[in-house]
Amino acid sequence: DIQMTQSPSSLSASVGDRVTFTCRASQTISTYLNWYQQKPGKAPKLLIYSASSLRSGVPSRFSGSGSGTDFTLTISSLQPEDFATYYCQQSYTNPLTFGGGTKVEIK
Amino acid sequence: EVQVLESGGGLVQPGGSLRLSCAASGFTFSSYAMSWVRQAPGKGLEWVSGIRGSGVSTYYADSVKGRFTISRDNSKNTLYLQMNSLRAEDTAVYYCAKDLDEWGYEGYFDYWGQGTLVTVAS
Repeated sequence: DIQMTQSPSSLSASVGDRVTFTCRASQTISTYLNWYQQKPGKAPKLLIYSASSLRSGVPSRFSGSGSGTDFTLTISSLQPEDFATYYCQQSYTNPLTFGGGTKVEIK
Repeated sequence: EVQVLESGGGLVQPGGSLRLSCAASGFTFSSYAMSWVRQAPGKGLEWVSGIRGSGVSTYYADSVKGRFTISRDNSKNTLYLQMNSLRAEDTAVYYCAKDLDEWGYEGYFDYWGQGTLVTVAS
């Protein structure tokens, strides 16, 4: 199985900050990498698919990059509604696997 | 409006069985692959199983292979997960999730249900 490792596991940031998360795959997955946002008690929401494609309706402050094994999700200017947990997920092969998540907290 | 709504969760004893359902609406159900994803209390996301739109091909996580069966009834716009030989570690909220792209099996999900809680305990 492909292991997905996210770092950091949590971070504290302020509104307006530029925030970057990383996700590393245990083997190359080309650009088959997706990012989700999850708030407490809610279902995950797809933000980015295929490493860098912004899902329709997602604010443009979210962006993704990377290929192979190393990927990043960037929020250019953190907004109050962005405080949540973010998960990466590979869709290169079954079984599909998720990273452990990065929790973004208010500083 | 796309909607997916899970049902069928509850409390079950170890070794028991449960069948989850996911009723879909607002899209051509048979054209989209679907998956089940679970989340244990306070933990991260774990993909459980997926099925192509036709229902011909199914996929499973190693942790549930041989115990869980995914299926769909395209005439009823409903996805199922039959769970047998349940264990304490299967305790989780189970989400039904729709593939973003039509016709394929892309493995990324644009619509999720609200989840249904399965608790395996004696």
